[in-house]
Amino acid sequence: SQTIHQWPATLVQPVGSPLSLECTVEGTSNPNLYWYRQAAGRGLQLLFYSVGIGQISSEVPQNLSASRPQDRQFILSSKKLLLSDSGFYLCAARLAGGPFQFFGPGTRLTVL
Amino acid sequence: AQSVAQPEDQVNVAEGNPLTVKCTYSVSGNPYLFWYVQYPNRGLQFLLKYITGDNLVKGSYGFEAEFNKSQTSFHLKKPSALVSDSALYFCAVRDPNSGNTPLVFGKGTRLSVIA
Repeated sequence: SQTIHQWPATLVQPVGSPLSLECTVEGTSNPNLYWYRQAAGRGLQLLFYSVGIGQISSEVPQNLSASRPQDRQFILSSKKLLLSDSGFYLCAARLAGGPFQFFGPGTRLTVL
Repeated sequence: AQSVAQPEDQVNVAEGNPLTVKCTYSVSGNPYLFWYVQYPNRGLQFLLKYITGDNLVKGSYGFEAEFNKSQTSFHLKKPSALVSDSALYFCAVRDPNSGNTPLVFGKGTRLSVIA
């Protein structure tokens, strides 16, 4: 079965500091990968998605970036965090040709 | 363009009563439809999906949903609610002809089951 790991589970960072969140997928090859942000336990905001190594589509212009250095690794980064970057970050994957997405456990980011 | 509407921010129901969480969608063709549940500080868990076939879909934890093409709806239902069903529920849609486009999610409905 397929599993998504996200690291770290929680993170507290000062404004202006860099960020790196990691997502790794097990049990499948060539998945589509997604980063979402969820604020205050409400709706999901799609940030980035990737259909392959080095291929990144950005949905929302902001101070975040994403990279996919390996087939099953998806990284979310920032050079300088803002207060508004606080939230719950979810990584998701969709099997190549499959109909639905499955999610990782999430990372809770608090920017102070 | 694809879109999903969950008209209720919050649904309250007494334990043991039936529950319904509403979802309507808009896609150009035949949709793929999904329900997910999220417990506090957790990722989304898949509940059920409609791809094709029988309009009544049964999923995890006793939940079911009915695909209604004429009303473009996919309401989530359960005959007898449990306190442990209290969570945030998301409906999602995908046009199967949309290539690699991600699922489009509704804004979520918070279900509160009261003992």
